[in-house]
Amino acid sequence: KNQVEQSPQSLIILEGKNCTLQCNYTVSPFSNLRWYKQDTGRGPVSLTIMTFSENTKSNGRYTATLDADTKQSSLHITASQLSDSASYICVVSAGAGGTSYGKLTFGQGTILTVHP
Amino acid sequence: DVKVTQSSRYLVKRTGEKVFLECVQDMDHENMFWYRQDPGLGLRLIYFSYDVKMKEKGDIPEGYSVSREKKERFSLILESASTNQTSMYLCASSLSIESGGASYNEQFFGPGTRLTVL
Repeated sequence: KNQVEQSPQSLIILEGKNCTLQCNYTVSPFSNLRWYKQDTGRGPVSLTIMTFSENTKSNGRYTATLDADTKQSSLHITASQLSDSASYICVVSAGAGGTSYGKLTFGQGTILTVHP
Repeated sequence: DVKVTQSSRYLVKRTGEKVFLECVQDMDHENMFWYRQDPGLGLRLIYFSYDVKMKEKGDIPEGYSVSREKKERFSLILESASTNQTSMYLCASSLSIESGGASYNEQFFGPGTRLTVL
């Protein structure tokens, strides 16, 4: 069964600090891994997408890493801001990708709270 | 910018009512999806559509049906709402993009509809 596990479930940090969120997956065959940010009461917004050939990708203060051998990914947030408070969801796509729909398996998310 | 809109942000219905959730996208995407999101469970796929009048069941289709008469619009129907269908419902549409030598679907989500069934 395809699964995506995220840790920690929730995290509280002070503004300006860095943090790292973890994602472990058992999805086969692996196509790509995505990180989404979901603000309270809103839909998820894509931060990064990585295929098997990419082991790091950045989007501003967000840097995602992927280790396809250990089936782990991390999302590192640098110099956190109050607006980073949100749920961060790891999503893994199975299948060959391409133009057809690849089945997505969603993690349950990590709730990040940034305090001033 | 891709825009995915959902007809209601909040909805309260009674058990047994027929409920329609509407989703519209303005980017001519082929694929559209309906998910529900519950605490501790993550997003779960209800139905998806890869073309007009085409639909496929997702992981949890029971109690739901869908309609896609036009490319830009994908409707989720609860034939007889029940309390266990109280949830956040998210619509998404997708297009294929290229990165790292591979192509994949990038999904764009709507703002969600929080449905409460009493």
